[in-house]
Amino acid sequence: NAGVTQTPKFRVLKTGQSMTLLCAQDMNHEYMYWYRQDPGMGLRLIHYSVGEGTTAKGEVPDGYNVSRLKKQNFLLGLESAAPSQTSVYFCAIGQGFGETQYFGPGTRLLVL
Amino acid sequence: SQQGEEDPQALSIQEGENATMNCSYKTSINNLQWYRQNSGRGLVHLILIRSNEREKHSGRLRVTLDTSKKSSSLLITASRAADTASYFCAPYNAGNNRKLIWGLGTSLAVNP
Repeated sequence: NAGVTQTPKFRVLKTGQSMTLLCAQDMNHEYMYWYRQDPGMGLRLIHYSVGEGTTAKGEVPDGYNVSRLKKQNFLLGLESAAPSQTSVYFCAIGQGFGETQYFGPGTRLLVL
Repeated sequence: SQQGEEDPQALSIQEGENATMNCSYKTSINNLQWYRQNSGRGLVHLILIRSNEREKHSGRLRVTLDTSKKSSSLLITASRAADTASYFCAPYNAGNNRKLIWGLGTSLAVNP
């Protein structure tokens, strides 16, 4: 039982390149979240999903897109990476907004 | 949605001492959660306390909630070096815009 996994663990991109971060869960939770964490800024919600086939914007959605085609996977895409997207990205899952969230190990992204 | 504000921002203690950190929030809540984040890792859920509860324990952790003062505290007793981490509170209100908003946390250093 891995819980929440994220791939890749670390990535370096050049400005303008694209990439997709994958979050996978084996806990059958409905809600999935993508956060970014930056020094002095705390965790900020990028996008979230309340069930298969649904997505919604969080606090800082610009420059990102998401998809939830399967219940267990939540993908975060960067179409044209910018240095401002250098961050640590965390995926989390849960059974409701106010319920316990289970976090993945994070993906470190450096955009040059 | 509302953000919890943790206090102090940083705390340094010796092993074996108790550590207390506080969380304040602005509006009524349904519940409040505490999480721990070890350096470079995802957040780990510690305790969820509901609005009708005043105190909750989990091992060496004790959480109190004072809804009249809109505050919560996390006490770690007999601290260990492994408790070194950042601690975050997440107050939750099931009204409009129900997502959790994360604060900057309290950074705890437990010195051997």
